[in-house]
Amino acid sequence: DAGVTQSPTHLIKTRGQHVTLRCSPISGHKSVSWYQQVLGQGPQFIFQYYEKEERGRGNFPDRFSARQFPNYSSELNVNALLLGDSALYLCASSIGTGGEKLFFGSGTQLSVL
Amino acid sequence: AQSVTQPDIHITVSEGASLELRCNYSYGATPYLFWYVQSPGQGLQLLLKYFSGDTLVQGIKGFEAEFKRSQSSFNLRKPSVHWSDAAEYFCAVGTTSGTYKYIFGTGTRLKVLA
Repeated sequence: DAGVTQSPTHLIKTRGQHVTLRCSPISGHKSVSWYQQVLGQGPQFIFQYYEKEERGRGNFPDRFSARQFPNYSSELNVNALLLGDSALYLCASSIGTGGEKLFFGSGTQLSVL
Repeated sequence: AQSVTQPDIHITVSEGASLELRCNYSYGATPYLFWYVQSPGQGLQLLLKYFSGDTLVQGIKGFEAEFKRSQSSFNLRKPSVHWSDAAEYFCAVGTTSGTYKYIFGTGTRLKVLA
């Protein structure tokens, strides 16, 4: 079975641009979460989606948004990119919304110039 | 406040030596506890988890961790390190109320000397 897949693997953008990152969860998993990992830090929680509804949001500005589709895949959108948005963006899937292991994808490395 | 502390940013050990990576957490209840490993440019691989029950948990690749409630700690151990264990290790707390999310520590980078 395929694991969590993310696309693209690498992305270079300039300040002020918009970016869309994509994630396909493991088959049968209905929850997708997004994390941001800045170089030298641990991942920080951005969003959790379950059954296409937002279930939680971390301490990120409104420039960050996400959605989940009927097939449980998800998109993370970031508007008006800043240099500080450069990071590895990790998607994780789980069967439900609580008390379970998260399975992480390999991430999208975003560089903002 | 909920937090995870990994006091050691870098650790260097010789191949074959024992290893202990420290993790302390601050959380209002007994959380779910995890250790993940990350190789450069890669995602996170789960080594082991603690939900309840036996406080000594076994994981993959010969790793184990012990939950000590009185010390709010969940240290990771391995009796004999292999060169392939060189990576970054993250301890994480899984919240047990509200939005389910992981709170990660800042990681410990392990270097293994041949």
